[in-house]
Amino acid sequence: AQTVTQSQPEMSVQEAETVTLSCTYDTSESDYYLFWYKQPPSRQMILVIRQEAYKQQNATENRFSVNFQKAAKSFSLKISDSQLGDAAMYFCARCTSGTYKYIFGTGTRLKVLA
Amino acid sequence: KAGVTQTPRYLIKTRGQQVTLSCSPISGHRSVSWYQQTPGQGLQFLFEYFSETQRNKGNFPGRFSGRQFSNSRSEMNVSTLELGDSALYLCASSLYGVNTEAFFGQGTRLTVV
Repeated sequence: AQTVTQSQPEMSVQEAETVTLSCTYDTSESDYYLFWYKQPPSRQMILVIRQEAYKQQNATENRFSVNFQKAAKSFSLKISDSQLGDAAMYFCARCTSGTYKYIFGTGTRLKVLA
Repeated sequence: KAGVTQTPRYLIKTRGQQVTLSCSPISGHRSVSWYQQTPGQGLQFLFEYFSETQRNKGNFPGRFSGRQFSNSRSEMNVSTLELGDSALYLCASSLYGVNTEAFFGQGTRLTVV
């Protein structure tokens, strides 16, 4: 089965500190995309960061960066200088190139402590 | 630029009824996909449409159906509602041809009683 696994149901981080959310996935495909989405209480899913599997360089978006280990099928998200507004559910997702069929992980609830 | 619009935001239906949910994608986006989100099963792919054609379908019973219109707006229908169909239904639109992100709407919260 082509699954996405997030082993941390909940994480806490102190404001201004750094936190890493884990994600592993299973696929037999060579061309795919990986995503981290954020879902705040408003329910709307917001893209945090995207990684093309064919790119070896890890994606970064301001305070957000990933550690993409293709051979290990691992895709972790690092949030630096955590802010109260970062508190949300974070979902890791994978989709095959050429489709928009996302396979999501079960999510990690991130709490940011003031 | 307006985002993805889903209507209605909340819906309460009785077992056995049917329901239709609507999704208006971002202008210019031709791909629309639907997801069901529940506490137990998480986010599950329902189906994806592009140019009025269903391109992918998830593992849901035939009671779940959808369609896309020529203006890219999409509807999903659930017939003979069951209690287990209570969920948040999310729609996402994408600019087909460029593997960028899917833009999600705020969802329709369906409660079946």
